[in-house]
Amino acid sequence: GENVEQHPSTLSVQEGDSAVIKCTYSDSASNYFPWYKQELGKRPQLIIDIRSNVGEKKDQRIAVTLNKTAKHFSLHITETQPEDSAVYFCAADDRGSTLGRLYFGRGTQLTVWP
Amino acid sequence: NAGVTQTPKFQVLKTGQSMTLQCAQDMNHNSMYWYRQDPGMGLRLIYYSASEGTTDKGEVPNGYNVSRLNKREFSLRLESAAPSQTSVYFCASSQPRQHEQYFGPGTRLTVT
Repeated sequence: GENVEQHPSTLSVQEGDSAVIKCTYSDSASNYFPWYKQELGKRPQLIIDIRSNVGEKKDQRIAVTLNKTAKHFSLHITETQPEDSAVYFCAADDRGSTLGRLYFGRGTQLTVWP
Repeated sequence: NAGVTQTPKFQVLKTGQSMTLQCAQDMNHNSMYWYRQDPGMGLRLIYYSASEGTTDKGEVPNGYNVSRLNKREFSLRLESAAPSQTSVYFCASSQPRQHEQYFGPGTRLTVT
């Protein structure tokens, strides 16, 4: 099956700085790459996703980039705010399957200091 | 719409006891999933169901059973709980080809 690795496991930044989280995947057949945010004690929620026919996608302060050749994708958060503090998970789909199964990375704990 | 709901929110079991975690969704999704979340381990798939009447093993199925009762409901059963099953359990659902998974609020299970 797919193997998704995520780095770093923890990340601390000053408010206003940028944060970057990186993921690699093993299966070149994967073509859907979502990012989930999980606040303390809450459920994971989708914040942005990208498909293999797109190299970059932006939504206000967050962006995701995808390099299919190198099999890695990254989450970029600009102008970080304390409310961005959470655990972020990347994921990749199961060999392009239509069933929707995802493989998740181990998560990055982002802390934004005011 | 309530989305994905789970019961109970919290549970404490003794080793060897059994229990069933309930999950229901009202979004008419075909696919449903059970994950466990442990510190530093991310979300690991226990079982999933692509449609009513079908279930498949995920990454960590040992010690668990599931039932897809109907399109709305997907339950997870621990027949003989072990301390290693102490975790937070999340149910999720999705629609095929749309991929976005919607998660329930989670069940925090402690096995002593």
